[in-house]
Amino acid sequence: DVKVTQSSRYLVKRTGEKVFLECVQDMDHENMFWYRQDPGLGLRLIYFSYDVKMKEKGDIPEGYSVSREKKERFSLILESASTNQTSMYLCASSLQGFGAPSKDIQYFGAGTRLSVL
Amino acid sequence: AQSVTQLDSHVSVSEGTPVLLRCNYSSSYSPSLFWYVQHPNKGLQLLLKYTSAATLVKGINGFEAEFKKSETSFHLTKPSAHMSDAAEYFCVVRSYNDMRFGAGTRLTVKP
Repeated sequence: DVKVTQSSRYLVKRTGEKVFLECVQDMDHENMFWYRQDPGLGLRLIYFSYDVKMKEKGDIPEGYSVSREKKERFSLILESASTNQTSMYLCASSLQGFGAPSKDIQYFGAGTRLSVL
Repeated sequence: AQSVTQLDSHVSVSEGTPVLLRCNYSSSYSPSLFWYVQHPNKGLQLLLKYTSAATLVKGINGFEAEFKKSETSFHLTKPSAHMSDAAEYFCVVRSYNDMRFGAGTRLTVKP
């Protein structure tokens, strides 16, 4: 089974802190994604990566950055956390990109619930 | 641009009765459509996926969905609800490099 592991289930941070959310997948997937989940809004894509050191902005990249130094690990960084970044963050991975219809199923981690006070 | 609308934010059924979760989509291309389920404090899990091979798609745990192009719908159904089906369900549309999630439908199952 594919396993996507997010390092923290719950985080509480203060405004202005630098926050790192870590995600690791164990199935050699090329693609990795960071989403933000808010009630009534579904999932919104923050960033995705289709290869090591490659990244693309999603719909809501402002206030976030990402890092992918190794294929299995994709980090989301909040440079200076703000209260409006309080949310559930979900990491996902997929075997191959959007150009391969049979392999674009995304596998999700359990999520990190971040509270910024 | 494409989008997906889940017509009900909350559906409540009794155990053993049918489930219907409604999803309409908008896409300029021939899309792929998915249903994902999220149980409390868990990540999303794929229920089923449509990719044009057949309009009626069977998924896990007895769920199925029917693609209706004329109605731009992809409703999720199950003949008999189980207590373990209580969760949030997301309809997703994908075309090329764009993937859109619906806002979610919370399913409550009463004993």
